[in-house]
Amino acid sequence: KAGVTQTPRYLIKTRGQQVTLSCSPISGHRSVSWYQQTPGQGLQFLFEYFSETQRNKGNFPGRFSGRQFSNSRSEMNVSTLELGDSALYLCASSLTTGGSEQYFGPGTRLTVT
Amino acid sequence: GEDVEQSLFLSVREGDSSVINCTYTDSSSTYLYWYKQEPGAGLQLLTYIFSNMDMKQDQRLTVLLNKKDKHLSLRIADTQTGDSAIYFCAESTRGGSYIPTFGRGTSLIVHP
Repeated sequence: KAGVTQTPRYLIKTRGQQVTLSCSPISGHRSVSWYQQTPGQGLQFLFEYFSETQRNKGNFPGRFSGRQFSNSRSEMNVSTLELGDSALYLCASSLTTGGSEQYFGPGTRLTVT
Repeated sequence: GEDVEQSLFLSVREGDSSVINCTYTDSSSTYLYWYKQEPGAGLQLLTYIFSNMDMKQDQRLTVLLNKKDKHLSLRIADTQTGDSAIYFCAESTRGGSYIPTFGRGTSLIVHP
């Protein structure tokens, strides 16, 4: 069974631009969660989607948004990029919501200049 | 302070056992996890334990939970150079919608 895939793997953007990251979960998994990983803040939860609905949201500004499609694929969008948005963005999929095991993708490394 | 705390570094010799420690603050933690992250990769779930368990063993990995002291440990027997990575402890609670809270990670260095 294929694992979680994330595209693109690397991205360089300029301050003020917007970016869209994509995540394809493991086949059959309906929950997708997004995390931001930085050296300063560690791993921080962004949001979770299940059956195309946002179920949980972390403490991030409204510039960070996401969505999930009917095939469970998910995208996250960051508008008006800031230097501090430079991070590894990780997507994790799980069968369902509420405590089931999460499987992580390799991440998208975003650099904002 | 941090909800989940781990020491930053651990250095061991190949063949020895490694013990990575973690403390957490939420007494209602339901699941406690150990993840491994290799350079340039995402997180790999190694094992997890329910809060009503004291110990879980899976091949070279042994997880010990002291619920009274809110202390979790991961023991890796016969540590190999391929075990060099960052190890993250995480906890989740029903009240937190089971969203895991991660520690900062312990960088395990295995030298010959």
